[in-house]
Amino acid sequence: AIRMTQSPSSLSASIGDRVTITCRASQGISSYLAWYQQKPGKAPKFLIFAASTLQGGVPSRFSGSGSGTDFTLTISHLQSEDFATYYCQQYYSYPLTFGGGTKVDI
Amino acid sequence: EVQLVESGGGLAQPGGSLTLSCAASGFSFNNYEMNWVRQAPGKGLEWVSYISGTGDTIYYTDSVKGRFTVSRDNAKDSLFLQMTSLSAEDTAVYYCARGFLIRGVTYDFFDCWGQGILVSVSS
Repeated sequence: AIRMTQSPSSLSASIGDRVTITCRASQGISSYLAWYQQKPGKAPKFLIFAASTLQGGVPSRFSGSGSGTDFTLTISHLQSEDFATYYCQQYYSYPLTFGGGTKVDI
Repeated sequence: EVQLVESGGGLAQPGGSLTLSCAASGFSFNNYEMNWVRQAPGKGLEWVSYISGTGDTIYYTDSVKGRFTVSRDNAKDSLFLQMTSLSAEDTAVYYCARGFLIRGVTYDFFDCWGQGILVSVSS
C-alpha cells in the first residue's frame, strides 16, 4: 500500500496568514492526489484533485501543487472558516490511502 | 441536490454483525462508483471499500477482507455494507462517498459524502 505522510500534524496560525501543508507519498503517484477539509463533527469536503485543480466553488485562496511523491496545499490569507483538519488522499492505486491529517487551529 | 444518507449504525457486540445502508438522491446513482470510508474516534480517514457502478468490480482494504461485503441496488439508489465478525477496531463513523465522474471518466476520489453513521463495537 502507498503510504501518505502529512506534515505538520498540526499548526497554529492567524487570520491572514499563509499556510502550507505538505503531503509525501511513499512511491510516485504522478498527480493522482486529492485534498479534503474536515471540520469537527462534519463529513470531509472535497477541495482539490489532480494535485492542483480546484473543485468548483472552492475559494481561490486554496491552491495545490506537486507531482510524483511531494505535494503541497497552500492557503493564502487564512480565513476564520479555514480552521479545520486537512487530508490528502492518493488515488493512484488501491488500496486508496489518506494522509494522517493536518489540524489548522488558531 | 446531491445527497447521501447513511443508516443502520449503532452498537454491536464483538463478533457480531451490522449492515449499513446509504440512500442516494439527486444524481444518476448507477453511473457512479461508490465507496465506504471510515474514521475511528479522534483518528484520520480510512478507505474501506469500493464498488463500481454495475457492481462488477469490488475492492476492500485488507483489514476488512472476508468480513465486510459491499453491494448496491441501482433500482433503489442504495449502497450497502454488510459487516460481520466485528471487533473494537471497527468502531468508527462510516461514510458513504461518491467517486468523481467527469466527462464520462471516473476517478477514485470522493466529491460527495454522506453525513456519516457511527458504529460502536463493545460488549
